[in-house]
Amino acid sequence: DGGITQSPKYLFRKEGQNVTLSCEQNLNHDAMYWYRQDPGQGLRLIYYSQIVNDFQKGDIAEGYSVSREKKESFPLTVTSAQKNPTAFYLCASGGIYEQYFGPGTRLTVT
Amino acid sequence: AQSVAQPEDQVNVAEGNPLTVKCTYSVSGNPYLFWYVQYPNRGLQFLLKYITGDNLVKGSYGFEAEFNKSQTSFHLKKPSALVSDSALYFCAVRDMVDSSYKLIFGSGTRLLVRP
Repeated sequence: DGGITQSPKYLFRKEGQNVTLSCEQNLNHDAMYWYRQDPGQGLRLIYYSQIVNDFQKGDIAEGYSVSREKKESFPLTVTSAQKNPTAFYLCASGGIYEQYFGPGTRLTVT
Repeated sequence: AQSVAQPEDQVNVAEGNPLTVKCTYSVSGNPYLFWYVQYPNRGLQFLLKYITGDNLVKGSYGFEAEFNKSQTSFHLKKPSALVSDSALYFCAVRDMVDSSYKLIFGSGTRLLVRP
């Protein structure tokens, strides 16, 4: 899992609550990414950021928000507007040739 | 539209036998192709990539992949499978539409190596 940390590993929340997932990297990468993984559906891009203080929506951004105040950090907030938030969330960082992934956070909302 | 297809949900192989996990792609221009492996409840680990050059790419843990431009394929191979190779494998291609370096992933193939 390289120099990318995600916390916590498991997260449980009640429906209607916002929750923030942490992602930190010490690889000095400019670009960072958030993916959502559901069984049998591969990885889907939520948000990405190529530089500090800038980020773009991915394919499934609705119900999520991000910030990029520091190069090392790219937290993801799952808001109450996300209709089906229970999933495995993966953070990645990288450059032109490859991406490196964190260990993931499994979010369960009941 | 750019896409990656992994036509097999699962591949079963006996330990010691060769394995192949298939991947085909559709992109504009020359593709940048990747293979990742995921063990249960873990992040993705990078196995290998094709950017340019030799069509046979060697990667981690004895894996290799063959780039075939005419068939738009990038199949993952290993001459002799191990039980510990059992995992979920993802093929990916870099999005060439913009400069975001985004990756487009296939749906994944579960490899099961039986003793």
